Amino acid sequence: SAVISQKPSRDICQRGTSLTIQCQVDSQVTMMFWYRQQPGQSLTLIATANQGSEATYESGFVIDKFPISRPNLTFSTLTVSNMSPEDSSIYLCSVGARLSTDTQYFGPGTRLTVL
Amino acid sequence: SQKIEQNSEALNIQEGKTATLTCNYTNYSPAYLQWYRQDPGRGPVFLLLIRENEKEKRKERLKVTFDTTLKQSLFHITASQPADSATYLCALEEKYGIQGAQKLVFGQGTRLTINP
Repeated sequence: SAVISQKPSRDICQRGTSLTIQCQVDSQVTMMFWYRQQPGQSLTLIATANQGSEATYESGFVIDKFPISRPNLTFSTLTVSNMSPEDSSIYLCSVGARLSTDTQYFGPGTRLTVL
Repeated sequence: SQKIEQNSEALNIQEGKTATLTCNYTNYSPAYLQWYRQDPGRGPVFLLLIRENEKEKRKERLKVTFDTTLKQSLFHITASQPADSATYLCALEEKYGIQGAQKLVFGQGTRLTINP
């Protein structure tokens, strides 16, 4: 299994600002993913973070709003840009062992509140 | 349209009994299905994966079944304990795009409470 840490664990932000969330893995992994979990809801995939190329975004999520970096095989960042209260959510980083649908290991999440 | 439904938002079970959670799906043909546990304030933790050609899989007090005809998976916890209280999520693969890329799609979860 992989050990995943996220920073910050939580934050309260003002409308219109941006927040960058960091995800660090203790081993090199091929697949890294970013999810959103809104209050009382299940996980929704935002994008797959690809090392050395642009992230692959799911329907309803765009790069301008959620820019992602993946500079190496152990690290990724997700930025939530120009935030509104609707962005209040838990953001989770996860990694897969090999294929995109192998067992996934999740970070502890970042709880974001936008005022 | 494609849908994953877990039987109920919340389930209360007496300690020692068997808890049974249901995951139904429509318009998917997954090669496998996974179950995760999520505690408050934490990310999901993988529990079990069952493939389409497997009827049943066990791990300690956990048992998962997968019926591709009914499009349903059942998740059982036997001899339940208060420490089993958590939200349980089912997830299955979805292929999409021309090149057949894959992603995991999650159900909304069932919040299980085991009462002492």
